[in-house]
Amino acid sequence: GAGVSQSPSNKVTEKGKDVELRCDPISGHTALYWYRQSLGQGLEFLIYFQGNSAPDKSGLPSDRFSAERTGGSVSTLTIQRTQQEDSAVYLCASSPRRTEAFFGQGTRLTVV
Amino acid sequence: GQQLNQSPQSMFIQEGEDVSMNCTSSSIFNTWLWYKQEPGEGPVLLIALYKAGELTSNGRLTAQFGITRKDSFLNISASIPSDVGIYFCAGQENFNKFYFGSGTKLNVKP
Repeated sequence: GAGVSQSPSNKVTEKGKDVELRCDPISGHTALYWYRQSLGQGLEFLIYFQGNSAPDKSGLPSDRFSAERTGGSVSTLTIQRTQQEDSAVYLCASSPRRTEAFFGQGTRLTVV
Repeated sequence: GQQLNQSPQSMFIQEGEDVSMNCTSSSIFNTWLWYKQEPGEGPVLLIALYKAGELTSNGRLTAQFGITRKDSFLNISASIPSDVGIYFCAGQENFNKFYFGSGTKLNVKP
């Protein structure tokens, strides 16, 4: 079946604007994760969903970041009032059993 | 927070050589994962390990879950040019988030 799908694949936005990043997990996967990867760096955890609930949102860097998941499927990561330091690749992953994670191709966000 | 140390940071090897990389953590994990990432792509899961001492292979790749549950190793045998990429380890404590290492960048000279 289809893998994890993220959209858009690239987003350029002006500083101060809000952006929404979308993740369509693999069908039937109950767990969903958001990570951020800065250029040449490792993966930084942002938030984890089990169903529509977020048991762990400890990685969200500030209150400008929020995420939701509806219908146990699609998730949206919203960044308000974007700053240049928000520029990164935002990666979404899903898992059927919370014991492995399958990643999408990511959304490359550039704040200018 | 959780610390995952991955080494080496980068490797330059000749085609046909074997490669070893490892990760250590400051606490016990119940899951270790190994990923490969190529430019412009998301990480691709290579091997998943769930039991201390477990040794699992995927083609020329072999990974082991350390018996202390604080480390894991990935070996690639007879490397080929398409092995080029960044390899990440990831560990998980209690079916929650995954912690990632900083990556090992592999370069293979034909």
